[in-house]
Amino acid sequence: SQTIHQWPATLVQPVGSPLSLECTVEGTSNPNLYWYRQAAGRGLQLLFYSVGIGQISSEVPQNLSASRPQDRQFILSSKKLLLSDSGFYLCAWSLAGGSGYTFGSGTRLTVV
Amino acid sequence: DAKTTQPNSMESNEEEPVHLPCNHSTISGTDYIHWYRQLPSQGPEYVIHGLTSNVNNRMASLAIAEDRKSSTLILHRATLRDAAVYYCILRVQYGSSNTGKLIFGQGTTLQVKP
Repeated sequence: SQTIHQWPATLVQPVGSPLSLECTVEGTSNPNLYWYRQAAGRGLQLLFYSVGIGQISSEVPQNLSASRPQDRQFILSSKKLLLSDSGFYLCAWSLAGGSGYTFGSGTRLTVV
Repeated sequence: DAKTTQPNSMESNEEEPVHLPCNHSTISGTDYIHWYRQLPSQGPEYVIHGLTSNVNNRMASLAIAEDRKSSTLILHRATLRDAAVYYCILRVQYGSSNTGKLIFGQGTTLQVKP
């Protein structure tokens, strides 16, 4: 069966520090991968998606970047965090063809 | 991006059916209709999805209007564990491949009363 792992679960980082969140998927090949962010009391905002290794599409201009160094690995990064980067970050995967998405358990990031 | 309209909140009694409506008047022919639900501090959970025909699974049923401009998620017997935010989303196809992205709206907060 397919599983998605996302870590860490919680993170407190000072303003200006770097960020690296990792997401890995097991049990499938060539998944579509997604990073979402949910600010407090808000809906989910799509940040990045990837259809293959090294292929990244950005949805919203921001202080973040994403990379996909391996087929089932998706990384969200920042060189210098801002207070506005605080939120609940979720990784998700799907297969092509309209299938359902599976979300990870999320990382709650607080920038102080 | 394709958008959906849902009521902000709904209430239901335990063990009664719940009908959660969604309008998506700008839907295009290749957009799938997805439903997810989210509990506090958790990632969204897939509920059901469909394209044109009504769909049933162990969690719920999805009724899609003939013109596809609206849909209804049906929980046949609500339980307290069904209390969550329910998102109706159009999976928008991008590029020339059969892949898509989910653009979330604000969802409907469902309260279930014992």
